Amino acid sequence: DGGITQSPKYLFRKEGQNVTLSCEQNLNHDAMYWYRQDPGQGLRLIYYSQIVNDFQKGDIAEGYSVSREKKESFPLTVTSAQKNPTAFYLCASSMTATGQGDNEQFFGPGTRLTVL
Amino acid sequence: AQSVTQLGSHVSVSEGALVLLRCNYSSSVPPYLFWYVQYPNQGLQLLLKYTSAATLVKGINGFEAEFKKSETSFHLTKPSAHMSDAAEYFCAVTSGGYNKLIFGAGTRLAVHP
Repeated sequence: DGGITQSPKYLFRKEGQNVTLSCEQNLNHDAMYWYRQDPGQGLRLIYYSQIVNDFQKGDIAEGYSVSREKKESFPLTVTSAQKNPTAFYLCASSMTATGQGDNEQFFGPGTRLTVL
Repeated sequence: AQSVTQLGSHVSVSEGALVLLRCNYSSSVPPYLFWYVQYPNQGLQLLLKYTSAATLVKGINGFEAEFKKSETSFHLTKPSAHMSDAAEYFCAVTSGGYNKLIFGAGTRLAVHP
């Protein structure tokens, strides 16, 4: 079955530690995205990638980093510079990132990160 | 700049009653509009999308939405609520040459017997 997988489902981190969230898709999509979800705030875009070896900052990129070495993988690292990292993180993909803007984004099941 | 406003962070209906979730958007260019549903601790699933082909859009699970340009609205409706409809619903907008989705804050729907 085609889809997006995220691991782990739950992640606990001590303050000052970096942590990497995994996102893999087998939909053969070019574009991938990372969102952060906080209660009552909807989803906010952290980073996006339109193609392998290319990515751009979203609205709240500070304290995060990404890589896109393979088409199917788009890991997100939450660094110690992120002051309030506790949140639900969602990865998504779409066929392309450009065009008329009507390409559906498919979402993974999410990773809940808690900083202790 | 684009934006989405969802009126009512919480909506409660009785099973069998009409569901109406409100979404208003702001966009300087013709928008593409989406409704997503999220069940607890899960990702988002697309319910339906408006891409200018028809103003009344039918989606999955009996939901539909009507695009009203004059009101800049894209409200989500379902004639008869089911217990399984209890979830959080997000309206989103995008336009132009890049698929950047702008999400509303979400509306949590509760369905009671």
